[in-house]
Amino acid sequence: KQEVTQIPAALSVPEGENLVLNCSFTDSAIYNLQWFRQDPGKGLTSLLLIQSSQREQTSGRLNASLDKSSGRSTLYIAASQPGDSATYLCAVKSFQKLVFGTGTRLLVSP
Amino acid sequence: EAGVAQSPRYKIIEKRQSVAFWCNPISGHATLYWYQQILGQGPKLLIQFQNNGVVDDSQLPKDRFSAERLKGVDSTLKIQPAKLEDSAVYLCASSQGQGSYNEQFFGPGTRLTVL
Repeated sequence: KQEVTQIPAALSVPEGENLVLNCSFTDSAIYNLQWFRQDPGKGLTSLLLIQSSQREQTSGRLNASLDKSSGRSTLYIAASQPGDSATYLCAVKSFQKLVFGTGTRLLVSP
Repeated sequence: EAGVAQSPRYKIIEKRQSVAFWCNPISGHATLYWYQQILGQGPKLLIQFQNNGVVDDSQLPKDRFSAERLKGVDSTLKIQPAKLEDSAVYLCASSQGQGSYNEQFFGPGTRLTVL
């Protein structure tokens, strides 16, 4: 059974810092990995999707990497801003199911 | 392109009452998903439809939860009777197909509080 873990559970940083969020999964037989952002009381917004054959994806200040053999992914956020404050969820597609981690709650202070 | 629509956005009910949620997927998306997200946890898949057929409902508590997708477009999820532990956000998502490379798009969710 696929299990997804995200560390840390919460993170607080001052504006302008670069930061890394971690995601690990137990079964390397995945089709893709996706990072989502969730604002309080809102749905999920897809940030980046990495296919199993890819190593990384970039969008603006966000860069996600995937190491399938070690069961790890990182989401790198450059020059963080208060507007980046949200919960970040990692999800892996495994046997046609999307399995989510519990998320990292990020707070960026001005 | 319109996104996934859900209603209501919020619902408060007492335990043992019934409640229903509605979802309209992105036009042309054949696959529809319902997820339950309990506070502090990641979303958990309840049921997946391909057109109007059920693909996976292994995590749906069938004694109280039911879902349908008549005509293969919009869908309703019902809870009858509700329990305190059903308090959660119910997310609907859709994708073009159920293939492994299809991306899922999520609606804003319905926040259910059971008192």
